Amino acid sequence: SHELTQPPSVSVSPGQTATITCSGDALARKYAYWYQQKSGQAPVLVLFDDNERPSGIPERFSGSISGTTATLTVRGAQVEDEGDYYCYSTDPSGNHIGKFGGGTKLTVL
Amino acid sequence: QVQLVESGGGVGQPGRSLRLSCEGSGFRFSSYGMHWVRQAPGKGLEWVSSISYDGSSKFYADSVKGRFTISKDTFKNTLYLDMDTLRAEDTAVYYCARDRNIETTLFDFFDHWGHGTLVTVSS
Repeated sequence: SHELTQPPSVSVSPGQTATITCSGDALARKYAYWYQQKSGQAPVLVLFDDNERPSGIPERFSGSISGTTATLTVRGAQVEDEGDYYCYSTDPSGNHIGKFGGGTKLTVL
Repeated sequence: QVQLVESGGGVGQPGRSLRLSCEGSGFRFSSYGMHWVRQAPGKGLEWVSSISYDGSSKFYADSVKGRFTISKDTFKNTLYLDMDTLRAEDTAVYYCARDRNIETTLFDFFDHWGHGTLVTVSS
């Protein structure tokens, strides 16, 4: 089945580097996308195509992929980066089946 | 700018139906595939359904297949989700989202989201 696995939580102090992983067999053949969701708000795209930043997303957000694991890195994390982060990808079988990871709560304090 | 506004949420009884709408503006609605994503209270995001720009391809999560129907009206710039045989586990905030790709039946990712509409299934 098409599953994406994320750690439930990551905690760093302001200015430190936060790393959030997303693992799944599909990532060997499909791009990973990352969404940030702050409390009570709609998700916002922070990375696409594994490591591309949409306009308006700070340079401290970056992404990488190695085998079946995608990684979101926040260098010099700020308090305003707190929130839930979800990876997303699609089933590589050819049928369009979307899948989110379970989400990672990033705490910066 | 791109705007997506969902409506139609509310309380639905188990076994009954509800229709969600999502009106798009600020872009050529007929050129984009669209999606529905939901989030149960306190839970993560769940992809629900996708429709291609021309309506020719539709896909559903197993959890809603056979009960939900996605459609789009390009004249009204509106995306719909017809939800039948509602279950308690359908309780969630439902977001509509636009696909990044233009005029292709291939889906990519969600580049714009609405603010969501809450559906509560309860007797």
